[in-house]
Amino acid sequence: QQQVKQSPQSLIVQKGGISIINCAYENTAFDYFPWYQQFPGKGPALLIAIRPDVSEKKEGRFTISFNKSAKQFSLHIMDSQPGDSATYFCAASEGFEASGSRLTFGEGTQLTVNP
Amino acid sequence: NAGVTQTPKFQVLKTGQSMTLQCAQDMNHEYMSWYRQDPGMGLRLIHYSVGAGITDQGEVPNGYNVSRSTTEDFPLRLLSAAPSQTSVYFCASSYTSGVQNIQYFGAGTRLSVL
Repeated sequence: QQQVKQSPQSLIVQKGGISIINCAYENTAFDYFPWYQQFPGKGPALLIAIRPDVSEKKEGRFTISFNKSAKQFSLHIMDSQPGDSATYFCAASEGFEASGSRLTFGEGTQLTVNP
Repeated sequence: NAGVTQTPKFQVLKTGQSMTLQCAQDMNHEYMSWYRQDPGMGLRLIHYSVGAGITDQGEVPNGYNVSRSTTEDFPLRLLSAAPSQTSVYFCASSYTSGVQNIQYFGAGTRLSVL
């Protein structure tokens, strides 16, 4: 049973456009929602993360929007660049302080940004 | 500062063989974990550890053993390899700082079981 569902599976965006990736979760005990970026042949790297006490977090061109009542969160990449082409994973965990090792990941989105 | 180091990078096994995937971190993190990554399924947690001497099962622990005798090392053992264990394996270490839990992943071990 996939507790975190991610869509779309793949996404093609033109340079300068906005990339939007969505995730939905089922476990209401989740209290930490990170996004990871993975390039081919590399391990995932933390991109940005949010706790459920805020509805939005922005870091540079990357924004997480969080809707607790809908149990959904999304990643927005503004002014998308070819260097953003990678696989993006949403994730979630519960018991924030002690959950450092226990992430539940979405299926991943392959983002391609065309020049 | 090497971060999280995984060895080997690639491995081919025959069904029934056993092997150990090595993971070491030099950041003095208490939390370490093992994930497997399969196409279309994201990463799934195999085992994790909250400190030396303490380990627990994740989502897909069957066929794998772990131990944590030191803070630095967290090896993953495949007892009797099966084709279903063909995957890319990632080790991670993490710490909590303020409102973020920051995980560092190794570069992965690509395993094929024939």
